[in-house]
Amino acid sequence: EAGVAQSPRYKIIEKRQSVAFWCNPISGHATLYWYQQILGQGPKLLIQFQNNGVVDDSQLPKDRFSAERLKGVDSTLKIQPAKLEDSAVYLCASSPGRGETQYFGPGTRLLVL
Amino acid sequence: AQSVTQLDSQVPVFEEAPVELRCNYSSSVSVYLFWYVQYPNQGLQLLLKYLSGSTLVKGINGFEAEFNKSQTSFHLRKPSVHISDTAEYFCAVSGTYKYIFGTGTRLKVLA
Repeated sequence: EAGVAQSPRYKIIEKRQSVAFWCNPISGHATLYWYQQILGQGPKLLIQFQNNGVVDDSQLPKDRFSAERLKGVDSTLKIQPAKLEDSAVYLCASSPGRGETQYFGPGTRLLVL
Repeated sequence: AQSVTQLDSQVPVFEEAPVELRCNYSSSVSVYLFWYVQYPNQGLQLLLKYLSGSTLVKGINGFEAEFNKSQTSFHLRKPSVHISDTAEYFCAVSGTYKYIFGTGTRLKVLA
């Protein structure tokens, strides 16, 4: 069974530029999560999808971050414009359903200069 | 509301010694509890989980955890650690649909 795929693995941009991350979850997993993990901290949930609907985006900075999961399968997370404090690893995870074991992708390491 | 507290940010331990990583939670509803491990430069992976039933849960790599409802704890233990156990360990709680991670405990196994 293929795992959660993420791309790119690394990205370096300058502040005020935009960036997009892509995630392809495990086939059949209804729930998809995006997390931000700042160095030395635990993952912070940015947004949770159930199929193609948003379940929780309470911690997503909506003035600059957006995410979509149009067909209930893969998902894109965008930052526009980026700030220095957005430097972090962005993790995508999927699970068969709400509250179940999450399977994580390798993450995208973002550096904003 | 739910919360997770990992009391120790770093735990150094000698190889072959036992270790316990502490996790406490609070929730107004029934919860599922998880421990995830993150090896250096790798993604998170599940160590073990408690959903229901026996309060002692066994996971991969010789780890186990005990769910204690009265103390709202889910501490992770291993009787004898190896150098390869050096990693960051995250406790997580899931109730209704929210999934919350603790801040992590960095386990450093010393030779």
